[in-house]
Amino acid sequence: DTEVTQTPKHLVMGMTNKKSLKCEQHMGHRAMYWYKQKAKKPPELMFVYSYEKLSINESVPSRFSPECPNSSLLNLHLHALQPEDSALYLCASSQTRAGGPDTQYFGPGTRLTVL
Amino acid sequence: QQPVQSPQAVILREGEDAVINCSSSKALYSVHWYRQKHGEAPVFLMILLKGGEQKGHDKISASFNEKKQQSSLYLTASQLSYSGTYFCGTRGEDTGRRALTFGSGTRLQVQP
Repeated sequence: DTEVTQTPKHLVMGMTNKKSLKCEQHMGHRAMYWYKQKAKKPPELMFVYSYEKLSINESVPSRFSPECPNSSLLNLHLHALQPEDSALYLCASSQTRAGGPDTQYFGPGTRLTVL
Repeated sequence: QQPVQSPQAVILREGEDAVINCSSSKALYSVHWYRQKHGEAPVFLMILLKGGEQKGHDKISASFNEKKQQSSLYLTASQLSYSGTYFCGTRGEDTGRRALTFGSGTRLQVQP
């Protein structure tokens, strides 16, 4: 089973709203990722969690706040977003064996629209 | 640093072959290939690790030339289902940095 699930599938929010995106995997992967993808562009890395600890933050604005409550769950809290933050937000997970392949499996994404 | 993919777009007839290239200016640990259909998530195709190798399944294969830091994806006898955008994702030799940098993508359209 290589399934990563994400909820919600679609989200429309105003610039003053607070919302959260959720990602879940049950493959025993200990690395989880958030990517942002604009139309016709490649995914851009936002955050990486390894063993529930934040290991990479790609200088993402503080209006995006990640959280990893446990090894299976990854959240992205959104607050005071801008219209240019509208995009497809992808979650991915991978194994963390040293020296081994670290294939990232992507969830279906959340299509976010900020009005 | 973002890998460079070529071509940017290609149109094929069913049954034709295609090659998509991915090159990096830095030493790589691994190259990952994905296909993404419109409105869907990227789907993993294959991974090639440092050491130079070739992999394949069905009519899709890939190679990794470590000396040139280049990878190529080979699609043979293309099918309509091969249509989509192909991304290569690269991971540098800093194995402590567990992250992929994606190329700009190659849009592949297979026509009947």
